[in-house]
Amino acid sequence: KNEVEQSPQNLTAQEGEFITINCSYSVGISALHWLQQHPGGGIVSLFMLSSGKKKHGRLIATINIQEKHSSLHITASHPRDSAVYICAGGNFGNEKLTFGTGTRLTIIP
Amino acid sequence: KAGVTQTPRYLIKTRGQQVTLSCSPISGHRSVSWYQQTPGQGLQFLFEYFSETQRNKGNFPGRFSGRQFSNSRSEMNVSTLELGDSALYLCASRSGFLSGSPLHFGNGTRLTVT
Repeated sequence: KNEVEQSPQNLTAQEGEFITINCSYSVGISALHWLQQHPGGGIVSLFMLSSGKKKHGRLIATINIQEKHSSLHITASHPRDSAVYICAGGNFGNEKLTFGTGTRLTIIP
Repeated sequence: KAGVTQTPRYLIKTRGQQVTLSCSPISGHRSVSWYQQTPGQGLQFLFEYFSETQRNKGNFPGRFSGRQFSNSRSEMNVSTLELGDSALYLCASRSGFLSGSPLHFGNGTRLTVT
C-alpha cells in the first residue's frame, strides 16, 4: 500500500524566514507532487518530481529517491505563502495519488 | 484558456438521495481525475478517466460512479447518499501522461448531506 507522510502538520513563521516542509513516501511511488491549497479549497499544482530538484520563483522542491524523501522549500517567505501544502505520491501514467495530511503554513508579517 | 470548471459549486442533499457532479477539463485535456476531501480522511483518489475509459478507481463503495464523455467532460454520481459523503469533491485534468505535465484542479463542489 502506498503511503505518504508529511511534517510538520502546522508551521508558523515570520515573514522572510526560510521554510522547509518534509514528505516521506513508501515503495511503489515514482512521482511526487507538491500541491498548494488556499482557503476556499482551490488546489494549485506546484511541482511534480521523480528525481533531483526543481525551482520556480521562491519555491524549490527536492527529492531523494534512495531515502524516499522530498522537501519543499520557500525562500524569503511572504504572508501570501500562507496556505496548506500537500505532498502526494503517484506513478507516471496515472493519477491515482496518495496524499499526505498537509502542512498548514502561516506567515506572520 | 479557461481552467477546469466544476458545477455546481455548492450542493445540499438529504440522506438517501443521489447526486451528479460535473467537471469540464481544460480544452484539449483528455485525462480527468476525481478526488474527495474530508476533514477526517483528507484527500482521497476516487477515479481517473482517459478517452472515455476508467483507468483507475480508488477504494470507494459502488455507490460512487463516474463517466467521461467524448468531449472529455466528466461526471461523477453518488447514489444513496450518506452523511459521511459530505465533502469537497475536486476534479483535475491533464493534457496527457507526459513526464512533468502538471495537474490542473477545479475549485471543487462542496456537497453537504443532511
